[in-house]
Amino acid sequence: QSVLTQPPSVSAAPGQKVTISCSGSSSNIGTNYVSWYQQLPGTAPQLLIYENDKRPSGSPDRFSGSKSGTSATLGITGLQTGDEADYYCGTWDSSLSAGVFGGGTKLTVL
Amino acid sequence: QVQLQQWGAGLLKPSETLSLTCAVYGESFSGYYWSWIRQPPGKGLEWIGEINHSGSTNYNPSLKSRVTISLDTSKNQFSLKLGSVTAADTAVYYCARTFFEQRIRMVRGVIEPYYYSYTDVWGDGTTVTVSS
Repeated sequence: QSVLTQPPSVSAAPGQKVTISCSGSSSNIGTNYVSWYQQLPGTAPQLLIYENDKRPSGSPDRFSGSKSGTSATLGITGLQTGDEADYYCGTWDSSLSAGVFGGGTKLTVL
Repeated sequence: QVQLQQWGAGLLKPSETLSLTCAVYGESFSGYYWSWIRQPPGKGLEWIGEINHSGSTNYNPSLKSRVTISLDTSKNQFSLKLGSVTAADTAVYYCARTFFEQRIRMVRGVIEPYYYSYTDVWGDGTTVTVSS
């Protein structure tokens, strides 16, 4: 059971927009910055979003992040088949004094 | 461009000690934390722990009694040891570079710490299987 809660799967058609939610608590998302990771099949995760809504160089502007209270959201616009992957949210939990991840969301582009 | 190269034994028997090493190329240890994260087959990511250039560590409370993360600055390497492994420790293990910083803010007149953390460079992963 993950500390952060994500939907197991989401799907949408090519060109459409999708959002992935990440729910936590006051000791993690409610206090600390959130990051998002994309894991393509058979590869290591890659950083997509950091500090809630910032994109590292190389991360397409079709990806966006936001945070409100104890939840965070990853948005992906202009879906492409190459976006099919698992997506994870992550943050620091101040009560556990540990890093925590969501359980992951599998994105299917129909 | 920082790169991480990791290696270690891929097949262990129950009760043995998992030992992995990660070499850091193109970057010094200063300014970052160096992390281990694992992923059991078909499951999500699990944070194991991290170490900074001065040897300060943070560990997952659920693994803390069995985990040691250390670094060798002379070789620019850091390592993971996980003792008394069981089948539940079967996973792909990733070494990674993490930016981690504690900051302070005032909330309704009270000083509150908060944390800035993200992992921006990952190794390729090492598959570790625990089986008798």
